[in-house]
Amino acid sequence: AAGVIQSPRHLIKEKRETATLKCYPIPRHDTVYWYQQGPGQDPQFLISFYEKMQSDKGSIPDRFSAQQFSDYHSELNMSSLELGDSALYFCASSLGHGVGRGSGNTIYFGEGSWLTVV
Amino acid sequence: EDKVVQSPLSLVVHEGDTVTLNCSYEVTNFRSLLWYKQEKKAPTFLFMLTSSGIEKKSGRLSSILDKKELSSILNITATQTGDSAIYLCAVEASGGSNYKLTFGKGTLLTVNP
Repeated sequence: AAGVIQSPRHLIKEKRETATLKCYPIPRHDTVYWYQQGPGQDPQFLISFYEKMQSDKGSIPDRFSAQQFSDYHSELNMSSLELGDSALYFCASSLGHGVGRGSGNTIYFGEGSWLTVV
Repeated sequence: EDKVVQSPLSLVVHEGDTVTLNCSYEVTNFRSLLWYKQEKKAPTFLFMLTSSGIEKKSGRLSSILDKKELSSILNITATQTGDSAIYLCAVEASGGSNYKLTFGKGTLLTVNP
């Protein structure tokens, strides 16, 4: 079965550069979530989108932005990269979102994109 | 602020042992609790628990939710070296039209031969 696809899998950038990560959700999933996991840390929620609109915002820095496109894929744009941005960035997707959707939906994670800032 | 606490943080056992991992939470508008297994890649979904007292089982793994105690346990019986991983507990909460998943710090399980 198709899973959440993230690209690129690995990315090396220099400080102050810009990086874009892409996420392709499971077909028919309308909700996308972005998480950041630093070395030895638990995943931190960054931002989520439902039906192409931002639905929740976590600890996403102002230097980062994200959007969900008409085909439901999402892109996380990171500018003015800092060494501390080096992390594994997970994208996850689910079908349905918000109050009343029922609690039977499950969130599926992609393999993650490794970003190294040097 | 929503909080998820896992214990122990680290556990080392021998193959064949049984382990119990704990997760407690404090969230507003709880919806469900999820367990994930993380090796050197994205977390793999194990269980989603929404109802108290109903055990979910998958092979040697089982989990149960106690909404009164705001906690859950993940049991692994007859552990194998392949069970070595970080086990993450996450709680799904909602508020208005918002939704989020809050993770605990994980339990690092090491199973020695």
